[in-house]
Amino acid sequence: DQQVKQNSPSLSVQEGRISILNCDYTNSMFDYFLWYKKYPAEGPTFLISISSIKDKNEDGRFTVFLNKSAKHLSLHIVPSQPGDSAVYFCAASEESNGNKLVFGAGTILRVKS
Amino acid sequence: DAMVIQNPRYQVTQFGKPVTLSCSQTLNHNVMYWYQQKSSQAPKLLFHYYDKDFNNEADTPDNFQSRRPNTSFCFLDIRSPGLGDAAMYLCATSSLEGNGYTFGSGTRLTVV
Repeated sequence: DQQVKQNSPSLSVQEGRISILNCDYTNSMFDYFLWYKKYPAEGPTFLISISSIKDKNEDGRFTVFLNKSAKHLSLHIVPSQPGDSAVYFCAASEESNGNKLVFGAGTILRVKS
Repeated sequence: DAMVIQNPRYQVTQFGKPVTLSCSQTLNHNVMYWYQQKSSQAPKLLFHYYDKDFNNEADTPDNFQSRRPNTSFCFLDIRSPGLGDAAMYLCATSSLEGNGYTFGSGTRLTVV
């Protein structure tokens, strides 16, 4: 049973607009959430994270929102750039140090110029 | 640059023929993980090490084994690969303090 779900396999956005990637989870013990970005032929790289004690974390163009009651998080990219085109993985951990991650299946983001 | 290196990038093996995938790290991280990712699916944790302490996931088939001879190296052994074991295998490391994983580039395994 998938504990972390990314229900949109792909998303296409115009350059300069906002990209919103969504993630739902079922395990209420998850304490720490992360987003990873993956280019073809490379391993995933860490993008941004959020602890369960927060509802928002921002880093430049990237903002992650957490709604614990809905067991939902989202990644906002504003403004979107063609270089943001990649696969985005949502991940969650029961450990506050973010170890032993459970991943979603990923969302392919295409930013059109 | 400190990094996680997986060799080889692509591995073709015959059905039933043992194969070993390797992972090395220069980050001196305590924790090393092996994930299996099949096409369009989520990466699935197979096992991980906290230093030399091996932790197997309950649903990891017995066909998959791992060795960690020292901090820097970790191996994934598939004793008798089946067609269903064809996948991308991702190695990752993290420190006990957390702050997320560092991934290798992965090894894509093909079983013929």
